[in-house]
Amino acid sequence: EAQVTQNPRYLITVTGKKLTVTCSQNMNHEYMSWYRQDPGLGLRQIYYSMNVEVTDKGDVPEGYKVSRKEKRNFPLILESPSPNQTSLYFCASSLLQGETQYFGPGTRLLVL
Amino acid sequence: TQLLEQSPQFLSIQEGENLTVYCNSSSVFSSLQWYRQEPGEGPVLLVTVVTGGEVKKLKRLTFQFGDARKDSSLHITAAQPGDTGLYLCAGSRRLNYGGSQGNLIFGKGTKLSVKP
Repeated sequence: EAQVTQNPRYLITVTGKKLTVTCSQNMNHEYMSWYRQDPGLGLRQIYYSMNVEVTDKGDVPEGYKVSRKEKRNFPLILESPSPNQTSLYFCASSLLQGETQYFGPGTRLLVL
Repeated sequence: TQLLEQSPQFLSIQEGENLTVYCNSSSVFSSLQWYRQEPGEGPVLLVTVVTGGEVKKLKRLTFQFGDARKDSSLHITAAQPGDTGLYLCAGSRRLNYGGSQGNLIFGKGTKLSVKP
């Protein structure tokens, strides 16, 4: 089944404790992206990747890192999480930039 | 600057009513997509419109792309409780170089609630 998977689905952590949210797609898509979704602000892009080893900042990259060592995986790293990073995070992939995005199920993060 | 404005933000109606939600911009998009997101899940694509003036139907849902490719509407006929969700429009603009697409730009969404 074609899908985007994210782990974990739910995470509660404390300020400053490094965490990684994994994202994997099995559709051989070149383009992958991370979004955060907050009430009243909609979906905002954090980082995106056009292909392996090619990543770029989205609209709200501060406090986040990404890597794309393999085509299928695109982890999101929070080196020192802060409470303002409490949000619902979505990973998405598409064949190419600008095309239909396939979203993962979301990761709900709470930073205390 | 919000490039894609969706209206209304919230809509609560009774089962069987018709409704229209709008997605407007001052920018031209090469394509526009509509997604539906249910609580606790990621957005799922409903339709993509590409040609100015294009109309697409998906059962009781009718999507229209404006002639100038700056706006779009989604009309639902005889709404059902199963239509409840967040409806997002997303546009893609052609970059000046190479003709490739830029990143998708999402509107903030219309939250629809259909009561039985």
